[in-house]
Amino acid sequence: EVQLVQSGAEVKKPGESLKISCKGSGYSFTSYWIGWVRQMPGKGLEWMGIIYPGDSDTRYSPSFQGQVTISADKSISTAYLQWSSLKASDTAMYYCARLNRGGDIDYWGQGTLVTVSS
Amino acid sequence: QSALTQPASVSGSPGQSITISCTGTSSDVGGYNYVSWYQQHPGKAPKLMIYEVSNRPSGVSNRFSGSKSGNTASLTISGLQAEDEADYYCSSYTSSSTLRVFGGGTKLTVL
Repeated sequence: EVQLVQSGAEVKKPGESLKISCKGSGYSFTSYWIGWVRQMPGKGLEWMGIIYPGDSDTRYSPSFQGQVTISADKSISTAYLQWSSLKASDTAMYYCARLNRGGDIDYWGQGTLVTVSS
Repeated sequence: QSALTQPASVSGSPGQSITISCTGTSSDVGGYNYVSWYQQHPGKAPKLMIYEVSNRPSGVSNRFSGSKSGNTASLTISGLQAEDEADYYCSSYTSSSTLRVFGGGTKLTVL
């Protein structure tokens, strides 16, 4: 069974750093793109970027380029999303997701809620 | 502003059929057969309902169907049930980005 299990909810202050994780299981982690999707409170879905764990090829949405870093450690089948300096506007639910061969998301993680507040 | 345009809300009574539209351009919806639809219940992760315009993943009810005409894709839900009440998002391949684009989402209310 394909599963993507994300790390737990985080409460941070503005300016702090953060790294959240997404562990894949039940499939060949290095053979599928993993994406990160943001959903701000009461809002829609936004693509942040994708990574191919097999060779760490990474693509970012222009809106998120330079704002976050996406990485993966294929030895432990885990992808990461990190911030060096959080802002209140980063408060959102973040989903990791697996892309199928056609580029559609076929599996989603359960989401990680990030709250940034002073 | 989302790249793909969806109605903010639609509604229907149990047993009826409803259709949600997703309008793009020839650079995305109209140019490629890579449109997908996702269902999201409150507090839950989205779920893939339709991929490549009209294909249903295993386990998705055949009450859900997808189609496309020109630059507009559509999701039709027949025999509406209370459990179908959720937000629905379309997504499409686009030639202007390496990433897919989402629609703004449509809230389906079952009356």
